[in-house]
Amino acid sequence: GAGVSQTPSNKVTEKGKYVELRCDPISGHTALYWYRQSLGQGPEFLIYFQGTGAADDSGLPNDRFFAVRPEGSVSTLKIQRTERGDSAVYLCASSLWGQGGTEAFFGQGTRLTVV
Amino acid sequence: DQQVKQNSPSLSVQEGRISILNCDYTNSMFDYFLWYKKYPAEGPTFLISISSIKDKNEDGRFTVFLNKSAKHLSLHIVPSQPGDSAVYFCAAGVTGGGNKLTFGTGTQLKVEL
Repeated sequence: GAGVSQTPSNKVTEKGKYVELRCDPISGHTALYWYRQSLGQGPEFLIYFQGTGAADDSGLPNDRFFAVRPEGSVSTLKIQRTERGDSAVYLCASSLWGQGGTEAFFGQGTRLTVV
Repeated sequence: DQQVKQNSPSLSVQEGRISILNCDYTNSMFDYFLWYKKYPAEGPTFLISISSIKDKNEDGRFTVFLNKSAKHLSLHIVPSQPGDSAVYFCAAGVTGGGNKLTFGTGTQLKVEL
């Protein structure tokens, strides 16, 4: 597709379970970002990839959160031992490169609900 | 510590009038700013940006003004249209920071007929 695609669009999981959220960026975009948006808040930065490597993971809240981008395209955000506080919309974005001011295109998000 | 603040959670404007959305920031390292628009169940969509070397950027009905001394920016939409009804997020970044953005909490704009 032409835009950033995220799957699944909705995910309900039980507390303590492991989840994976997938992001397909726009073809050719080298930079990929994960954000998390809680109810009533703006998107909050989690991690940024330039190519295959995580250039900045300072926004990951704790070691239960991990993300990979093994071939420099698709990325997976992994959350272990999920907690109710992890419930949020997880947004992925990509941009042509990781320079400041470059327009980032967002996917529609994955709504994660931990029950 | 909210580095980007949008103090108005909502704004209602009549069709054809001007909409003014405000944003304040505290981090003086920010050197570019963006506005994103978000409809329900969709991801944010880029609207307009401004570099800190400018004080105004215009794109059709949308104009962003930056007042660096006051650490304040605003988005003007004129004339406002019903299709503009959405949540607007202000975001800021630092050049060289990998396009990592800090977002405000958003303002829900409703344009009424």
